[in-house]
Amino acid sequence: GAVVSQHPSRVICKSGTSVKIECRSLDFQATTMFWYRQFPKQSLMLMATSNEGSKATYEQGVEKDKFLINHASLTLSTLTVTSAHPEDSSFYICSATQGNSGHNEQFFGPGTRLTVL
Amino acid sequence: SQQGEEDPQALSIQEGENATMNCSYKTSINNLQWYRQNSGRGLVHLILIRSNEREKHSGRLRVTLDTSKKSSSLLITASRAADTASYFCGGGGGGNKLTFGTGTQLKVEL
Repeated sequence: GAVVSQHPSRVICKSGTSVKIECRSLDFQATTMFWYRQFPKQSLMLMATSNEGSKATYEQGVEKDKFLINHASLTLSTLTVTSAHPEDSSFYICSATQGNSGHNEQFFGPGTRLTVL
Repeated sequence: SQQGEEDPQALSIQEGENATMNCSYKTSINNLQWYRQNSGRGLVHLILIRSNEREKHSGRLRVTLDTSKKSSSLLITASRAADTASYFCGGGGGGNKLTFGTGTQLKVEL
């Protein structure tokens, strides 16, 4: 089946630093990649939709200058949390889809636990 | 914003019993997808039902969709302890975008 990896799985950083999270589709070319954040015992909140070679589309309320998304290839998207603060601590999950039928399942990465001290 | 609510928020049953979870959504959808999530992990796709379908089966899973009521249900038959997880429904819109519900935490006890 389709596999999506994320790196790192866990990161602890100091307030004010930037953190980059990678999302890779390992055995397929992803038409679209999505970035979510999830707080404990809550649902996934879509942050942005990313298509290879174009600018990401951010959801309302998500600061694009705070959460930089780069989708350099059909198998790699990165999320950079700039000048991280403790309130950015969360579980960040990416997903990828293959195809544009509108009925494509999303394949999720294992998530990245970010803790900002 | 979230697509809608899931009901119940938490469900505890004995192994062998059936588990039913409901999901309501707000906007029009192309499809509705169910996923499971084990604690601290990513989501695993379970089943997709299109907006023109009413019922779908996959193994021990049965999903129904009522577009007039904007609701869906997931039935897990003969539950096992390994089914313990959180279950989320996601409304599929344009561009394969998903908006998730609040989730149901299922606990299956031996």
